[in-house]
Amino acid sequence: QVQLKESGPGLVQPSQTLSLTCTVSGFSLMDYSVHWVRQPPGKGLEWMGRMKYDGDTYYNSALKSRLSISRDTSKSQVFLKMNSLQTEDTAIYYCTRELPGPWWGQGVMVTVSS
Amino acid sequence: DIVMTQSPSSLAVSAGETVTINCKSSQSLLSSGNQKNYLAWYQQKPGQSPKLLIYLASTRESGVPDRFIGSGSGTDFTLTISSVQAEDLADYYCQQHYSYPPTFGSGTKLEIK
Repeated sequence: QVQLKESGPGLVQPSQTLSLTCTVSGFSLMDYSVHWVRQPPGKGLEWMGRMKYDGDTYYNSALKSRLSISRDTSKSQVFLKMNSLQTEDTAIYYCTRELPGPWWGQGVMVTVSS
Repeated sequence: DIVMTQSPSSLAVSAGETVTINCKSSQSLLSSGNQKNYLAWYQQKPGQSPKLLIYLASTRESGVPDRFIGSGSGTDFTLTISSVQAEDLADYYCQQHYSYPPTFGSGTKLEIK
């Protein structure tokens, strides 16, 4: 069945780079798009960006200068890299297949702190 | 970007009551080509990932109870939960999927008295 799972460090120091991986199963990254969405503690959902099934990417303009999304189709993985992290980047980071869509990962909590 | 405005930000109801959550978009979400409205609703229970309830404004996702009803067109949309149950305690978000970037409403917290 369709599954997505985020992984990455739970703690990142300010000004450093965040690297997250979304490992998917049950579908091909060449058939479906994968999106990244984040949620600061106690706050709402923010769309970050998308890896389209054809390899095209699209980013939230507010994050575009810091954000990069890539993939390895052979490993069924989508990667998120965001640099110059600040405390306001503390959030749960989710990957999801398509948007809107019923398949979301469990999320990974990332805390930006020294 | 399309701005999504949700109201109310929170509400508390007793089990069995009917709840209405509103979502307004800064631009029409109605496609002139197919007359479909590109608006989705999600439910997020504490400690869980968002769950898709409704897409295309009124199409219920598979397995979603029929007490969840989406309606509206253009810029004004509503999620109605009839006969609210204790398990409906959650945050609810609308999201437009009409144009990029996808944008979410700020959320509505539903509490059960």
